[in-house]
Amino acid sequence: QKEVEQNSGPLSVPEGAIASLNCTYSDRGSQSFFWYRQYSGKSPELIMSIYSNGDKEDGRFTAQLNKASQYVSLLIRDSQPSDSATYLCAVELTGGGNKLTFGTGTQLKVEL
Amino acid sequence: EPEVTQTPSHQVTQMGQEVILRCVPISNHLYFYWYRQILGQKVEFLVSFYNNEISEKSEIFDDQFSVERPDGSNFTLKIRSTKLEDSAMYFCASTSQAEQYFGPGTRLTVT
Repeated sequence: QKEVEQNSGPLSVPEGAIASLNCTYSDRGSQSFFWYRQYSGKSPELIMSIYSNGDKEDGRFTAQLNKASQYVSLLIRDSQPSDSATYLCAVELTGGGNKLTFGTGTQLKVEL
Repeated sequence: EPEVTQTPSHQVTQMGQEVILRCVPISNHLYFYWYRQILGQKVEFLVSFYNNEISEKSEIFDDQFSVERPDGSNFTLKIRSTKLEDSAMYFCASTSQAEQYFGPGTRLTVT
């Protein structure tokens, strides 16, 4: 069973702080890694993709990948109340065209 | 910005009835997917579609389910005889390569 694991939270951070979200995956053959944001009752919205070991930054978001440890993370700098949502980690096996396997998501609450 | 669209946004049906959920993927995308999310649970893969045929399906996607691309723009999911446990959000997604973009979803309620 290929699994993607996330802490369900909720993770509470004060406004302006850094939020750190973590994800581990079981299939060493996984090639592509994605972070989606999902507001309650809405569809997943793609935030970041990462394919190589290391860091990838896009605005306030940084994705980090460590394939040896089978670990991917998302950092959100200067957290805003509008960042309050569930963050879904998704993994794809071969790097193109295939299904995504999702974790259960981590609920993030950014408090004023 | 191009986006995936889905209709209807909400579908209520009685157990045993057939439903068709419709999706219009992003126009230059070649891979299409259906996922579902039961309330409070994770997003689950149902089926992927490429080059006018199913490329992969999950255990959930049994004989009651079918997909079709009836024309150059629409992508449909049919459930032949709905069960109570089919109640969920159904998301269509598409990609040209790796990053999958999701539609707004159809909430299916089976009574």
